[in-house]
Amino acid sequence: DVKVTQSSRYLVKRTGEKVFLECVQDMDHENMFWYRQDPGLGLRLIYFSYDVKMKEKGDIPEGYSVSREKKERFSLILESASTNQTSMYLCASSSPGLTTSRYEQYFGPGTRLTVT
Amino acid sequence: DAKTTQPPSMDCAEGRAANLPCNHSTISGNEYVYWYRQIHSQGPQYIIHGLKNNETNEMASLIITEDRKSSTLILPHATLRDTAVYYCIVRVAYGGADGLTFGKGTHLIIQP
Repeated sequence: DVKVTQSSRYLVKRTGEKVFLECVQDMDHENMFWYRQDPGLGLRLIYFSYDVKMKEKGDIPEGYSVSREKKERFSLILESASTNQTSMYLCASSSPGLTTSRYEQYFGPGTRLTVT
Repeated sequence: DAKTTQPPSMDCAEGRAANLPCNHSTISGNEYVYWYRQIHSQGPQYIIHGLKNNETNEMASLIITEDRKSSTLILPHATLRDTAVYYCIVRVAYGGADGLTFGKGTHLIIQP
C-alpha cells in the first residue's frame, strides 16, 4: 500500500512564526504535491516537485516555499505565518510513468494548521 | 478540462450497491475519468480511473458510456465506512502540469 505521512495532524502557531510541514512517502514516487483545502474554495495546489531539488509553483505559492532534498520527503515552509494561512494542508505523491497517471495521487491524512 | 456534474447527495442502504453518476458531456478524446473520495477530516483517496473501457479494482467498478459523456462509479457492497464525498474529475492522464481540483462532489451517506 502507498503510504504518505505528514508530521502533524493538528498544529497551532502564532502569527509571524516560521512553520515547517513535513511529508514523507514510501513508494519511491517522483512527484510530490502540497495542497491546501478550505471550505467553499476546494483543493488548491501550492507547489509541486517532480524530482529531488526541483519544484514548480502551483496556483497559490505566495507566502510559501518548499524543499525537496530527498526523493521521499517534501517540506512546506510558511516563512512568516499569517491568519489567512489557517487551513487544512494536504500532501500527495504520484508516479509519472508511461503506464501510470500523474493524476493518480495518494494523499496523506492532512495537517490542520491554525494560526492565531 | 471538461466540466463534470454530480448530484449533491445520495443515500444508500448498507450492503447494497451504491451507484454514483457523473456527467461529463464535454470530455475530449484524450481525457480520462477519475474518481476520488474524501471521508470527513481525512485526505482524499484515489479510487479508480478509466478512459473508455469499464474498469474494476478492489474498491469499485467504473462504467463509462460508449459515447463517454457520462460514467457511474459502483461500490458493490456499501459499508458505513463508505460514507464520504465522492469526486468525479476529468483530466488528461499524461503530461499534465498542474494539480487536482475537485468540484462539489456527491455526499454519499450509507444508512445502517
